[in-house]
Formats: sequence, C-alpha cells, structure tokens
Amino acid sequence: GQQLNQSPQSMFIQEGEDVSMNCTSSSIFNTWLWYKQEPGEGPVLLIALYKAGELTSNGRLTAQFGITRKDSFLNISASIPSDVGIYFCAGQLGYGGSQGNLIFGKGTKLSVKP
Amino acid sequence: KAGVTQTPRYLIKTRGQQVTLSCSPISGHRSVSWYQQTPGQGLQFLFEYFSETQRNKGNFPGRFSGRQFSNSRSEMNVSTLELGDSALYLCASGNFMNTEAFFGQGTRLTVV
Repeated sequence: GQQLNQSPQSMFIQEGEDVSMNCTSSSIFNTWLWYKQEPGEGPVLLIALYKAGELTSNGRLTAQFGITRKDSFLNISASIPSDVGIYFCAGQLGYGGSQGNLIFGKGTKLSVKP
Repeated sequence: KAGVTQTPRYLIKTRGQQVTLSCSPISGHRSVSWYQQTPGQGLQFLFEYFSETQRNKGNFPGRFSGRQFSNSRSEMNVSTLELGDSALYLCASGNFMNTEAFFGQGTRLTVV
C-alpha cells in the first residue's frame, strides 16, 4: 500500500533553534495535513495544504506542499519548550470523500532543551 | 464549537473480554473514523462511517466493529480482546469533503 516516509524520526534541539522536517512518498497527494500530538492527547491539526507549491504559515510554523505533489515540509522557527511533541504528516489521495484515503507518516518526535 | 469527544479516556480490560468505545464528532460533521495508534505501528485506519454507513475499512480482523447513529455519534467495539489490542484508539471527525480530519483525545485501552 501507499507509504509516507517522514524524517527525521526524532530531533533533539536547543530552544531558539529552527526545525525542519519532511514527508515524501512515491504517490501523488492532493492534500497535505500536518498534526502535532502531545503525550496522552490526540493529534491536533496545525496546517492544511491544498495546492502544489502552496506555502502556509501558522504562527512560527510554516508548511509547504511540494510542487511534485509527492512531498511536504514543515518548519518551526525559534523553537520553544512547548513545541515538544510528535509531529505527523498526512497525505490524502484523491479529492476528499473518505478519511480512508488519508495516509499518515510515522511521526517526528521533537525534544527541545531549554 | 466543541471538539471531538471520546469516552472513556482510559480503560483496563482482561484478555477475552469485549469493549465499547464512544465518539461524538464535531457538530455538523457526518464522517467519523477510528484509528489505532501504537508505538510500533503508528496510526492505523480502522474504519470510517458516514451517515450511519460504513464507507471505508482498514485491514483489521472482524473482532473490530463499529456503528454510527443518526446523530453522527459513533461507537467502536472490540470483541475477544487480545494483549496486542492495547493501544490508543482515536476517533476523528471530518468536515465537508473530508479534506481535514479532527481528532479526539483518544481512549487508552490496556488489555491485561
């Protein structure tokens, strides 16, 4: 089946540093979603991308929909301790219609040292 | 507007028992999906319900079942629990066209 390769698997950074993570696939996606999950909680939607090349920001977070439609990137600028968590990407095959078309990456675990 | 609500938050069951989990979607959302999350396998899609009908199904045994009610609330049932069923079960509701999925806090199921 379709797979998303999310990297890196984990990151341990200093507060104030910028962070980059990405997801790649051999499949073409029509929507990319980025989520953050904190321990004991469900994933929270951070950014949704709908068009190839689209660049969208949410505060210190910026995500891009790759022009090949096979990848997406998430950047966090000036990290702070509350950025700690697991970040997931999800790509949607087709144009909506069923959540069964959502493919999730395995996540990037971010640790921030004050 | 209220988010996705899952109950209970935590559950401990014995192997062989059955369990029912509940999910109330965001008001107005008609699509509800269930996912199993484990450290080793990540987020795995179980099934999706839309307007009381199962619309899509993942690759899980028949012990996992669900249903959706006319008010869009959904329940998931797991029968004959196995130790490997221990996981965080997440429910997500979908907006129009299901382009975004909004998750609840999850139910942490531990099978002993």
